[in-house]
Amino acid sequence: GQNIDQPTEMTATEGAIVQINCTYQTSGFNGLFWYQQHAGEAPTFLSYNVLDGLEEKGRFSSFLSRSKGYSYLLLKELQMKDSASYLCAVRDGGFQKLVFGTGTRLLVSP
Amino acid sequence: SAVISQKPSRDICQRGTSLTIQCQVDSQVTMMFWYRQQPGQSLTLIATANQGSEATYESGFVIDKFPISRPNLTFSTLTVSNMSPEDSSIYLCSVQILAAQETQYFGPGTRLLVL
Repeated sequence: GQNIDQPTEMTATEGAIVQINCTYQTSGFNGLFWYQQHAGEAPTFLSYNVLDGLEEKGRFSSFLSRSKGYSYLLLKELQMKDSASYLCAVRDGGFQKLVFGTGTRLLVSP
Repeated sequence: SAVISQKPSRDICQRGTSLTIQCQVDSQVTMMFWYRQQPGQSLTLIATANQGSEATYESGFVIDKFPISRPNLTFSTLTVSNMSPEDSSIYLCSVQILAAQETQYFGPGTRLLVL
């Protein structure tokens, strides 16, 4: 089976740093994705990790540990526009499809 | 990146009717998928759309309810058949493109309300 866990909701303050965790147990693994989704909009691709370690892209960084089945998305210098849902997804190795976690709703306050 | 368009963007339908959603991509596509996102929920994969052959459905989804066509590399349709209010959802087309196979892009979605 496949199981992907994320916290349901997080809150943070403008200018701060927040880390959103994702743990997974899947039958196959060919990469982990993070997406951002604003209310009423489609998911937007943020990052892709297939090897262990940290990938940095501007204010956003994503980390992967395959042995621990663990990833996190790090958002720095939070802005109000970062209030959104953040979706963790694992690519199934054999079939290339993405399996999504439940998503984490992030609320950034002034 | 890829530009993905979906039609219609939204619709309100009566119970028992069917709706066909179209997805068109402007890039060479390797894989094409259809997802559903129910209110307040995350994304659930309905099926993988295969060019020129029957789609591959996930557990809980069947061809009679969600027939899918993919006549060429860049175009696919999803039909939601014999609709009920439980089918009210956002339906999203998603693709991997040849130029960036490590990434999967999503279309803008079709918002469906069944009365």
